[in-house]
Amino acid sequence: EVQLVESGGGLVQPGGSLRLSCAASGFTFSSYWMSWVRQAPGKGLEWVANIKQDGSEKYYVDSVKGRFTISRDNAKNSLYLQMNSLRAEDTAVYYCARDRGTWIQLWLFDYWGQGTLVTVSS
Amino acid sequence: DIQMTQSPSSLSASVGDRVTITCQASQDISNYLNWYQQKPGKAPKLLIYDASNLETGVPSRFSGSGSGTDFTFTISSLQPEDIATYYCQQYDNFGPGTKVDIK
Repeated sequence: EVQLVESGGGLVQPGGSLRLSCAASGFTFSSYWMSWVRQAPGKGLEWVANIKQDGSEKYYVDSVKGRFTISRDNAKNSLYLQMNSLRAEDTAVYYCARDRGTWIQLWLFDYWGQGTLVTVSS
Repeated sequence: DIQMTQSPSSLSASVGDRVTITCQASQDISNYLNWYQQKPGKAPKLLIYDASNLETGVPSRFSGSGSGTDFTFTISSLQPEDIATYYCQQYDNFGPGTKVDIK
């Protein structure tokens, strides 16, 4: 059974940092693109970042470029999101999601974690 | 950048009703359009991919159609467990969502 379990969320002050983790199991993690998608309270879904199977390609939504870094450790079946210079508008539930594509990026998110809440507030 | 719009933003329907949601892309996206269901407090769930393909295990009352810029998502007979917000998605763009309630 495919499982994605996020952790690392919490309350952080504006300007602070946080590192999210996503532990994957039940599939060959190293074969898939992975993404982070967030949802601000009461709002819709927003794609944040993604990373290629070997970590050689990474893409970000404009609003987080230069502040967030996506990474992965295939030996540990884990995905990460390092978030620096956090702003109030980064407050959201952050989901990790698997892209179904194994050879190419399909932008088709077939499995999602349960999410971890990040609150940026003083 | 491609913009995705959905209508309506919310709707109320009776159990057994046919429900239709539309999604429009600001430019031709062929059939690269997916639909997700999100129940309150839960993660999104993939229902339809590539505009019209039903994800494995998803009830057949859900369907999708369209290509180019105009897409439709349909629930043929609304059930109480279908109460959720539905999102269309193309690449890194999600639509704003349609909240479906029972009348």
